[in-house]
Amino acid sequence: AQSVSQHNHHVILSEAASLELGCNYSYGGTVNLFWYVQYPGQHLQLLLKYFSGDPLVKGIKGFEAEFIKSKFSFNLRKPSVQWSDTAEYFCAVISNAGNMLTFGGGTRLMVKP
Amino acid sequence: EPEVTQTPSHQVTQMGQEVILRCVPISNHLYFYWYRQILGQKVEFLVSFYNNEISEKSEIFDDQFSVERPDGSNFTLKIRSTKLEDSAMYFCASNKAGVGTDTQYFGPGTRLTVL
Repeated sequence: AQSVSQHNHHVILSEAASLELGCNYSYGGTVNLFWYVQYPGQHLQLLLKYFSGDPLVKGIKGFEAEFIKSKFSFNLRKPSVQWSDTAEYFCAVISNAGNMLTFGGGTRLMVKP
Repeated sequence: EPEVTQTPSHQVTQMGQEVILRCVPISNHLYFYWYRQILGQKVEFLVSFYNNEISEKSEIFDDQFSVERPDGSNFTLKIRSTKLEDSAMYFCASNKAGVGTDTQYFGPGTRLTVL
């Protein structure tokens, strides 16, 4: 069975600080990896995804994530956060042939202006 | 940009009552999903649906739950006799191809409160 761990439940940063949110997964086969974001009062939106190829993927709003297969990790990064990045961030995995997303517990990010 | 929509945004019900949560997936999508998130817990998969059939379901999706596509646009989740532990945010999602490489697009959720 798949599982996903997000190490930080709450993160508080000041504007312009750098961000790294950890995500580790457990699965024996080929997986596809996602980061979703949920802004206050809004629905889950896709930030970025990794299927294959370059393990460093770039998403919207200046976010990027790096897939490290040997570490079963897919950490999310942003060099300089803004107040508008305040949201909850979810890492998720799905197998290649599957259609069931498995989510991590989420990380609530607060950016202080 | 097309979006998944859900109604109502908040539903309050008494224990033992039936509820129906409604979703309108993106119009050219063929695969539909329900997930739920109990407060403070992870988003959990409930069920996937394609071609008027359940294609996959989790252990959570027991006989109290059912899904239906009653017409060409709506996708519903019914809980027959709600329990306190059914209180959660329920998310609908959809995609075109139903495989792992195809992004699932989520609706805003329905917050179900069972009293």
